[in-house]
Amino acid sequence: NAGVTQTPKFQVLKTGQSMTLQCAQDMNHNSMYWYRQDPGMGLRLIYYSASEGTTDKGEVPNGYNVSRLNKREFSLRLESAAPSQTSVYFCATWDRSLGANVLTFGAGSRLTVL
Amino acid sequence: EDQVTQSPEALRLQEGESSSLNCSYTVSGLRGLFWYRQDPGKGPEFLFTLYSAGEEKEKERLKATLTKKESFLHITAPKPEDSATYLCAVQAATDSWGKLQFGAGTQVVVTP
Repeated sequence: NAGVTQTPKFQVLKTGQSMTLQCAQDMNHNSMYWYRQDPGMGLRLIYYSASEGTTDKGEVPNGYNVSRLNKREFSLRLESAAPSQTSVYFCATWDRSLGANVLTFGAGSRLTVL
Repeated sequence: EDQVTQSPEALRLQEGESSSLNCSYTVSGLRGLFWYRQDPGKGPEFLFTLYSAGEEKEKERLKATLTKKESFLHITAPKPEDSATYLCAVQAATDSWGKLQFGAGTQVVVTP
């Protein structure tokens, strides 16, 4: 049982390049999220998908796009990477079943934009 | 605007030296307050959810408490394996989709 799997774990990009971060979950949760974590700032929500077929902006969506491919997969795309997007990105799922209410995170993807 | 402030930013403890971490929050109605543990290079790991003032939860050497304005994470007789960054987050009453507002965390180092 892998939980939430993110790929790649590390990536270095040049300014202007594009890339997609992949996230897959095997917990059958409806809701999925992308957060970024920067030193001293805590985790900030980029985009979320409440259920398959829906996506919504979070706190810091500029420069990103997302795709909820199916119930299991939620990808984050950087169309033209900027140094300000250097960060650690975390995918998460939300278990809203009775008595749960838990956000479960993947291991993270560390992105450096030069 | 919802806000979560954690203090101190960093805490260095001797093994066995108990202490408390603080999480102050402002939110327009609280649905839940969450504590997570994060080890270097890993994703946050869920510890507790608290829902109402006066509620307490315990797990091994950790105990979380909640008031109307803040939460405390008490670490009793810590061991080196308790070294981690502890994150606090709140979910507003108006949110149904798990959109949590996180604090910046408290980095705890426990030395033998």
